Amino acid sequence: EAGVAQSPRYKIIEKRQSVAFWCNPISGHATLYWYQQILGQGPKLLIQFQNNGVVDDSQLPKDRFSAERLKGVDSTLKIQPAKLEDSAVYLCASSLGPYAGTYEQYFGPGTRLTVT
Amino acid sequence: AQSVAQPEDQVNVAEGNPLTVKCTYSVSGNPYLFWYVQYPNRGLQFLLKYITGDNLVKGSYGFEAEFNKSQTSFHLKKPSALVSDSALYFCAVRAVTKGNKLVFGAGTILRVKS
Repeated sequence: EAGVAQSPRYKIIEKRQSVAFWCNPISGHATLYWYQQILGQGPKLLIQFQNNGVVDDSQLPKDRFSAERLKGVDSTLKIQPAKLEDSAVYLCASSLGPYAGTYEQYFGPGTRLTVT
Repeated sequence: AQSVAQPEDQVNVAEGNPLTVKCTYSVSGNPYLFWYVQYPNRGLQFLLKYITGDNLVKGSYGFEAEFNKSQTSFHLKKPSALVSDSALYFCAVRAVTKGNKLVFGAGTILRVKS
């Protein structure tokens, strides 16, 4: 079974530039998550999708971050404009969904973003 | 609000010795608890979970975790450590909110020396 795919793996941009990350979840997984992991900290949820609807985006900085999950499969996370404090690893995860009763999430390898 | 504490930034253990990585939690209602491991430049890998049932949960790679409701703890254990177990370990709790998101601790670096 293929895992969660993410691209790119690494990205370096200057502040005020824009960047986009892509995620393809495990086939059949209804729920998709984007996390931000700052060095030395645990992952923090940015946004959660159930199929193509947003379940939780309470910690997403909506003035600069946006995300979409068209057709309920792939997802894109965008930052525009980037700030220095956005330097982090962006992790995508997926799970079967709330009705499966299992709750564990499966993570992709992440995208390491450096903002200079 | 839900939270997880991992009181040790780093744990050092000799190969072949037992290891324990500590985790305490705070959540309203019944806790759903998880352990994940992260190797350098890799995503998080699921190790094990506690939802209900036996307080001793067995997971991948020989790891197990003991749920203690009275102490609100969920410590990760392994009887005999391997050098390859060296990694960053995260404890997480399911938040009782819309979406049931996971709330992660800050992580504990495990170093196993030969």
